[in-house]
Amino acid sequence: GIQVEQSPPDLILQEGANSTLRCNFSDSVNNLQWFHQNPWGQLINLFYIPSGTKQNGRLSATTVATERYSLLYISSSQTTDSGVYFCAVGFTGANSKLTFGKGITLSVRP
Amino acid sequence: SQTIHQWPATLVQPVGSPLSLECTVEGTSNPNLYWYRQAAGRGLQLLFYSVGIGQISSEVPQNLSASRPQDRQFILSSKKLLLSDSGFYLCAWSVHAGVFNQPQHFGDGTRLSIL
Repeated sequence: GIQVEQSPPDLILQEGANSTLRCNFSDSVNNLQWFHQNPWGQLINLFYIPSGTKQNGRLSATTVATERYSLLYISSSQTTDSGVYFCAVGFTGANSKLTFGKGITLSVRP
Repeated sequence: SQTIHQWPATLVQPVGSPLSLECTVEGTSNPNLYWYRQAAGRGLQLLFYSVGIGQISSEVPQNLSASRPQDRQFILSSKKLLLSDSGFYLCAWSVHAGVFNQPQHFGDGTRLSIL
């Protein structure tokens, strides 16, 4: 069946460290989004990246659709980066629906 | 610019009571609209989506229903709430994309507790 798997499930970093979050998906996609859910539950759009590479400040993301994975890079992490990071995928032919991974819980310690 | 509003932000309801959560979008027309639920400590699950007024698709058979009475209004309802309906409910919108997916944008959510 359709699957979205994120790894690692939990990540603890010291402030200033870099990290890579991974998202694997099971089928061809025409939508991939990375979200950050803050402690108040708000889902913040980080990237819309069904293919290619994008950068926004300390964050960047790469999706290799042919190999069915996406990576989110966080550089020089800050305590405000803490929260849950979700990868959500829209599979080709799935009528704009997003399938979410289970999320990666990131804790950045001062 | 487009904005999405959900209310209420938090809600505490007794088992067996009815439910109505509302979501409205501003600054766009004919959007796709979505309702998701997030159980505690888990990922998001799509409940309903709509590509137009009166057009509702259900993803998960359950105690809930959705309606779209106006172009930019999406309502999540229940006649009788169950304990298992507790969770964090998020509404989202995207451009009506035809065959191509477009990014989804989320509201701030409603935290529902059933007692």
